Amino acid sequence: EDQVTQSPEALRLQEGESSSLNCSYTVSGLRGLFWYRQDPGKGPEFLFTLYSAGEEKEKERLKATLTKKESFLHITAPKPEDSATYLCAVPNQAGTALIFGKGTTLSVSS
Amino acid sequence: NAGVTQTPKFRILKIGQSMTLQCTQDMNHNYMYWYRQDPGMGLKLIYYSVGAGITDKGEVPNGYNVSRSTTEDFPLRLELAAPSQTSVYFCASSYNLPGYNNEQFFGPGTRLTVL
Repeated sequence: EDQVTQSPEALRLQEGESSSLNCSYTVSGLRGLFWYRQDPGKGPEFLFTLYSAGEEKEKERLKATLTKKESFLHITAPKPEDSATYLCAVPNQAGTALIFGKGTTLSVSS
Repeated sequence: NAGVTQTPKFRILKIGQSMTLQCTQDMNHNYMYWYRQDPGMGLKLIYYSVGAGITDKGEVPNGYNVSRSTTEDFPLRLELAAPSQTSVYFCASSYNLPGYNNEQFFGPGTRLTVL
């Protein structure tokens, strides 16, 4: 069964304290791994797509990396405005929709 | 471009009532999806559509129905609402099925409570 597992469930950081979020997946024939950001009361907002092991993508203080079994979202010197829930997703076996992890809720305090 | 819009934003239903959640996208996307999100859980796919007139079940379709008469609209119908359908519902659209350069764009969600 295709699965996506994210850890930790919640992460509290001080402003400027770098850390990483993990997304592990079990799906054969990966056709992309997607990272989304979700703010309270809003829909998920697309951040990155990664397609092959070793690929990296960056956006401001965020950098996403991909291996054959997992992806990391590295947050460098976070600011309070980076506080959100970060969701990871992969296409299902049929390729018809995304399977989402439960997310990591990040809180950054000043 | 408004992207994906959903109405209503909030709704309270009584057990056994019915309602339709509206979803419209203005990006001319072929593919549209309905997800539900429960606290502490990932988004679960309810139904999806690959184009006007074509829909198919997702992971959790029981208690719901959909139709797709136009490219823009993808309403979700709840018949005989039950407390288990209390959730936040998200509509999404994409140019193609999930994969290369085909990210899904999400609406703001409808928060539904069934009492």
